[in-house]
Amino acid sequence: QKEVEQNSGPLSVPEGAIASLNCTYSDRGSQSFFWYRQYSGKSPELIMFIYSNGDKEDGRFTAQLNKASQYVSLLIRDSQPSDSATYLCASMQGAQKLVFGQGTRLTINP
Amino acid sequence: ETGVTQTPRHLVMGMTNKKSLKCEQHLGHNAMYWYKQSAKKPLELMFVYNFKEQTENNSVPSRFSPECPNSSHLFLHLHTLQPEDSALYLCASSQGQGPNYEQYFGPGTRLTVT
Repeated sequence: QKEVEQNSGPLSVPEGAIASLNCTYSDRGSQSFFWYRQYSGKSPELIMFIYSNGDKEDGRFTAQLNKASQYVSLLIRDSQPSDSATYLCASMQGAQKLVFGQGTRLTINP
Repeated sequence: ETGVTQTPRHLVMGMTNKKSLKCEQHLGHNAMYWYKQSAKKPLELMFVYNFKEQTENNSVPSRFSPECPNSSHLFLHLHTLQPEDSALYLCASSQGQGPNYEQYFGPGTRLTVT
């Protein structure tokens, strides 16, 4: 099984700033990548997914994919304390297998 | 919370017990999944079902036995578990299978094996 790597953090960002979360993957055959948010004691909640090189924006969130560098990132603009959570990056390997990274714990400081 | 429900939400069982976890999705999806989330480890895929047929078994020990009677329901039967099996067990579903299908998770069952 190919891996997905994330910095476990914690990553601390002041309120209103941009939070940048990064992920690398080893399976060059992976076609799509997913970002999930998980609050403590809760299940993962899908934020967005990306499968084309470049940027994809959804509200305050922007996912970036660089397949040549095998790198995925998630930017959160105007960070809010409610964004404090663990962010999980996952790659789709084959047609059905989501492989997750360890997750990055993000704290937004008021 | 989501269109995927799981019961029970918490379960404590001894190593000689037999119990079952239940998952139901109300989204009209065709694929269902079991995942395990242990402390300090990445979320790990266990089983995949597509149109009731098992299409993935991620080298899961036989003490975990899945069952999918229809596209809306998924069970995980547990027997003679070990303490290291204590974890959060998450069910997920997706409309189909492929790189563009998002998976939506249920709330999970927190399992403790004593």
